[in-house]
Parts: sequence; structure tokens; C-alpha cells
Amino acid sequence: GNSVTQMEGPVTLSEEAFLTINCTYTATGYPSLFWYVQYPGEGLQLLLKATKADDKGSNKGFEATYRKETTSFHLEKGSVQVSDSAVYFCALFDTGRRALTFGSGTRLQVQP
Amino acid sequence: EAQVTQNPRYLITVTGKKLTVTCSQNMNHEYMSWYRQDPGLGLRQIYYSMNVEVTDKGDVPEGYKVSRKEKRNFPLILESPSPNQTSLYFCASSLRTGGSTFRYEQYFGPGTRLTVT
Repeated sequence: GNSVTQMEGPVTLSEEAFLTINCTYTATGYPSLFWYVQYPGEGLQLLLKATKADDKGSNKGFEATYRKETTSFHLEKGSVQVSDSAVYFCALFDTGRRALTFGSGTRLQVQP
Repeated sequence: EAQVTQNPRYLITVTGKKLTVTCSQNMNHEYMSWYRQDPGLGLRQIYYSMNVEVTDKGDVPEGYKVSRKEKRNFPLILESPSPNQTSLYFCASSLRTGGSTFRYEQYFGPGTRLTVT
């Protein structure tokens, strides 16, 4: 079946550092890919998405590119802020199961 | 404001006492779904609904029931809760557009933290 693998956290960075959170997937076909963010005590919010190969999703300074050849969708941000501290989930939409398949999440802690 | 709401946000109950977690969306979405979130496992789908009176099992449906009598509501029912159902639960909804094409973007509720003792 389909699956998503994320790097384990926590990831601890200083403010203004460069962020990369790795995400790779296993799937049949070419599913839509997503990054969701969960701030403490809140639900999941869609951060960005890409629906086909080579698409780049971007939002709030975060970017991720759908790489078919490496089956990856790594999340990047050039300069993180304390307010970016949250748990980040990579996910794909499984059309057969009609469900999002999530990675296990990566906690990001940004220190001032 | 477009949103998915869940109630209650927090619930502590005892084994075997039936409970219902409500979910409502105001976006006229056809698709609704329930997930549970457990440490190290990410989110796993419990049930989903493609439209009114259409529901189907997700990955972990055992011990849960759902109903979809109205488009906006999708309650999750635990007939006889057990401690292994202690978890954080999320409801989500999505617009479905024509035929088998989906708007894949799902909107999530704030979560319900359930503890079963």
C-alpha cells in the first residue's frame, strides 16, 4: 500500500536558520502531495500542496517540490522564525482509499 | 467563517459508556472523514463519507460507528469505548467536484482529546 516516511524529530534550529524536513513516499501512480502543520493545541492546517510531478507548492515562505524521480516532497524554508515551531506532517491523497496517508510527523523547535 | 467544528474538545470517560463526538462543517462539503492521531503513528483514517447516507470504513474502523444523515454533520460514535481508543480525534471535510475528481484539500477540525479509563 501507499506510505509516507518523514525524518524523525525533533528538529531544533536557531531563528533565521535554513530548514529542511525530508519526506519520501511510496505510491502507485502520481498522488497529490501535501504538507500540513499542527501548532500546539490546534488542528491540522494545510501548509502547501502539489498535484503533479515538478509542481512546487509554496506558502508563508515554505516550499516543497514534487519529485517523481526520487519520490520525494521535502519541505524547505530559508529563514525560520520562533512562530514556525510546530509539528509538520507530510501526506499523500490515496484515491483508492479516499483518504490522506500521513507520515508520522516531525516536530520543529525554533529557538530565539 | 469557513470551518469544521468538533464537540467536545476534551472528554474523559469510563470503559463501556457510550459516547458521541460531533463534527459539523459549514462549507457544503460532500466528503467528510474521521482520523485518530497517536504518537509515532501520524493520523489514521477511521471512517469516511462521500455524501449523505454514504459511509465507508477507513484503516482502523473497529469499535467505531458513524452516520451521515445531513450533509453538514458527521458524528463519530463509540458504542462501548475501551482504553485503546484513548487518542486525539480529528474530523475533516473536503469538496468533491464531479465524477471521481476530488478537491483533495481537506479542512480539519480542532480535535477532540478522548481519554478512556
